[in-house]
Amino acid sequence: DIQMTQSPSSLSASVGDRVTITCRASQDISKYLNWYQQKPGKAPNLLIYTASSLQSGVPSRFSGSGSGTDFTLTISSLQPEDFATYFCQQSFNTPRTFGQGTKVEIK
Amino acid sequence: QVQLVQSGAEVKKPGASVKVSCKASGYTFTTYYMHWVRQAPGQGLEWLGMINPNTGMTKYAQKFQGRVTMTGDTSTTTVYMDLGSLRSDDTAVYYCARERGAGHYFDPWGQGTLVTVSS
Repeated sequence: DIQMTQSPSSLSASVGDRVTITCRASQDISKYLNWYQQKPGKAPNLLIYTASSLQSGVPSRFSGSGSGTDFTLTISSLQPEDFATYFCQQSFNTPRTFGQGTKVEIK
Repeated sequence: QVQLVQSGAEVKKPGASVKVSCKASGYTFTTYYMHWVRQAPGQGLEWLGMINPNTGMTKYAQKFQGRVTMTGDTSTTTVYMDLGSLRSDDTAVYYCARERGAGHYFDPWGQGTLVTVSS
């Protein structure tokens, strides 16, 4: 199984801050890396697919980069509605596996 | 619009089985694979398996082999996830999610079904 390691597991940031979350795969997954946002009591919501493609309707302050084993999710200017938990997921093969999540909290 | 609507919360005793449904609407049901993912309280996301609603072909995570069964009904555009021999650590929110695109990403997700296993 492909292991996905996210860092940090949590972070505190202020509105307007630039936030970066990283995700590392245990083997080469090409660009088959997706990012989801989850708010408390809600289902995950797709933000970025195939490493860098922005899902329709997602604000442009979200961006993704990387390929192979190392990937990054960046929020260029954190907004109040961005406080949530973020998960990466590999879709290179089955079993689909997820990072453990990064909780973004208000500083 | 594309929508996945899941069945309501369940409370089960250890050893019992639970069947969760996921009704799809707004798209051609047989065109897209459906996945099931669970999330234990305060924990991360765990993949259980997937089904091709067109052929009925399934693929399960090894951890759940022999305990999980996924089926689909094209007449009602509904997929089902049946998990047996329930244990307390199966307490979780169970989600269905449609696989989409060449990147095989999940969009959208169902709203989730809380399954509580307790004696």
